[in-house]
Amino acid sequence: DLQMTQSPSSLSAFVGDRVNITCRASQSISDYLNWYQHKPGKAPNLLIYAASSLQGGVPSRFSGSGSGTDFTLTISSVQPEDFATYYCQHSYDSPWTFGQGTKVEMK
Amino acid sequence: QVQLVQSGAEVKKPGASVKVSCKASGYTFSTYTMYWVRQAPGQRLEWMGWINAGTGNTKYSQKFQGRVTITRDTSANTAYMELSSLRSEDTAVYYCARINKWELPPYFYFYMDVWGKGTTVTVSS
Repeated sequence: DLQMTQSPSSLSAFVGDRVNITCRASQSISDYLNWYQHKPGKAPNLLIYAASSLQGGVPSRFSGSGSGTDFTLTISSVQPEDFATYYCQHSYDSPWTFGQGTKVEMK
Repeated sequence: QVQLVQSGAEVKKPGASVKVSCKASGYTFSTYTMYWVRQAPGQRLEWMGWINAGTGNTKYSQKFQGRVTITRDTSANTAYMELSSLRSEDTAVYYCARINKWELPPYFYFYMDVWGKGTTVTVSS
């Protein structure tokens, strides 16, 4: 199975900071990469699909980039409501697998 | 609005079975595939299987093959995930999610665009 590795596992940021989260695939997955935000007790929320396409209704401060094996989720100016855990997930082949998650906490 | 509402938390004994429901609203249930994932404490999200809500075709993760059964009731707009022979390692939050796709011919990009809030299943003697 394809392995997805995120870094860092957690980070602390001030409101207004730029935040980058990296996801690396164990082999090339082209741009078959999605990003989700998850807050405790809530349904996960799709942010980005196909590596860089912003899901409708998601604020433009979120962006995704990358192709092949290396991908980045960027929050240009983190807001209080963005403190959550973020997951990458590939859809290149079956089974789809997820990264281990990156927890973004308020500094 | 489009949403998936899951059944409530369950506590089961080892060896028992659990059946989690996922009721869809706000869209045509039979035109999408439903995905089931789980997250055990301290672990990453893990695929269990999916069902094409229109045809009823299913595919299961090898890890759960033989223990998981995913079904649907189109008249109730509801998908179900049943896990049998429960053990303590099955203690987890179980999620259903709708699979959607973006077509950029000749490519298709799949993603989970609507999720349930999760059902906590605790397996304990």
